[in-house]
Amino acid sequence: DQQVKQNSPSLSVQEGRISILNCDYTNSMFDYFLWYKKYPAEGPTFLISISSIKDKNEDGRFTVFLNKSAKHLSLHIVPSQPGDSAVYFCAADGDGNQFYFGTGTSLTVIP
Amino acid sequence: SAVISQKPSRDICQRGTSLTIQCQVDSQVTMMFWYRQQPGQSLTLIATANQGSEATYESGFVIDKFPISRPNLTFSTLTVSNMSPEDSSIYLCSARGPEGAYRGTQYFGPGTRLLVL
Repeated sequence: DQQVKQNSPSLSVQEGRISILNCDYTNSMFDYFLWYKKYPAEGPTFLISISSIKDKNEDGRFTVFLNKSAKHLSLHIVPSQPGDSAVYFCAADGDGNQFYFGTGTSLTVIP
Repeated sequence: SAVISQKPSRDICQRGTSLTIQCQVDSQVTMMFWYRQQPGQSLTLIATANQGSEATYESGFVIDKFPISRPNLTFSTLTVSNMSPEDSSIYLCSARGPEGAYRGTQYFGPGTRLLVL
């Protein structure tokens, strides 16, 4: 049973525009959420996180929004750059031990 | 931050053989994990590698198929035993810590790409 879902397997955006990646979860016990970025032939790298006590966290061009009532979070990248082209994984944590990962969204930023 | 290396980076193996993947972290960490990423799939946790004791396996994964060792705080191995083509996947080592580190600080190795013929 997939507790974290990324329903868009791919996304294409023009350089300079906003990229919005979405993630839904089912377990209300999740209280910490993360986004990871993965380039081909590399392991995932931590990008940004958000605790359930917040609804927004910003780090440079990256902002994560959390809507707890809808069990939904999103990652906004503004402005998008070609180097942002990668697979983005959403992850959720509820017990401090295991992260539950979504299936990933492949972002392509077109120059 | 922690830097994680894995060996081998890739391998092609014959059905019925076993492969051991090594994971080395450049600093002491509290928790180490092994994940699998099959084509088009998410990252699936295989087990948590416990130092000096048996690994904790997730549902669907068993010690006989995926024996894991963690002799110290910076090193772990995963063996994929009696391989079949269905084991073809990327295997990722991950680590969290050190003690007291920010909760979200989980790092991943570059992965081991396994193809079983």
